[in-house]
Amino acid sequence: DQQVKQNSPSLSVQEGRISILNCDYTNSMFDYFLWYKKYPAEGPTFLISISSIKDKNEDGRFTVFLNKSAKHLSLHIVPSQPGDSAVYFCAAYSGAGSYQLTFGKGTKLSVIP
Amino acid sequence: DAGITQSPRHKVTETGTPVTLRCHQTENHRYMYWYRQDPGHGLRLIHYSYGVKDTDKGEVSDGYSVSRSKTEDFLLTLESATSSQTSVYFCAISEVAGSYTFGSGTRLTVV
Repeated sequence: DQQVKQNSPSLSVQEGRISILNCDYTNSMFDYFLWYKKYPAEGPTFLISISSIKDKNEDGRFTVFLNKSAKHLSLHIVPSQPGDSAVYFCAAYSGAGSYQLTFGKGTKLSVIP
Repeated sequence: DAGITQSPRHKVTETGTPVTLRCHQTENHRYMYWYRQDPGHGLRLIHYSYGVKDTDKGEVSDGYSVSRSKTEDFLLTLESATSSQTSVYFCAISEVAGSYTFGSGTRLTVV
């Protein structure tokens, strides 16, 4: 049973446009959500996070939106740049003592110059 | 990246042989994790450790064992490698909930 779902395996966007990556979760105990970015032959790196007490968190070109009622979050990248081409993983955990992250399958973003 | 290293980076082994992957950290973080990454599956937790000699199973622990005799080292052992264990293995460390630092990965091929 997949608790964190990224239903789009890939996404292509023109440089300068907005990239929107989506993530759904099923576990109501999750209250922290993160996005990690992964380049080929490297380990994932932390990008941005949001807690369930917020519905938006912004960091430069990256914004994460959380809709708790729909159990849905999205990552917006504006404007998209070729260097943003990577695999993006959505992850979640419960703040009630668990440090384990549950990851989605990832979405491969390609930003076309 | 400084602070966490995995060895070896690449390994090819034969079915039925034992294999040990090493994760070494210099950050003195309490928590260490082993994940595997496979196409169509994303990152799945194999085992994790919450202190020296304290380990527990993750989502896909069958066929794997781990040991942590020192804070800085977390070993992942495949007792008898199978082709289904061909994967890229990532180690991660954390001290604060959710804040993981990943190693660069070990690509393991079982032939």
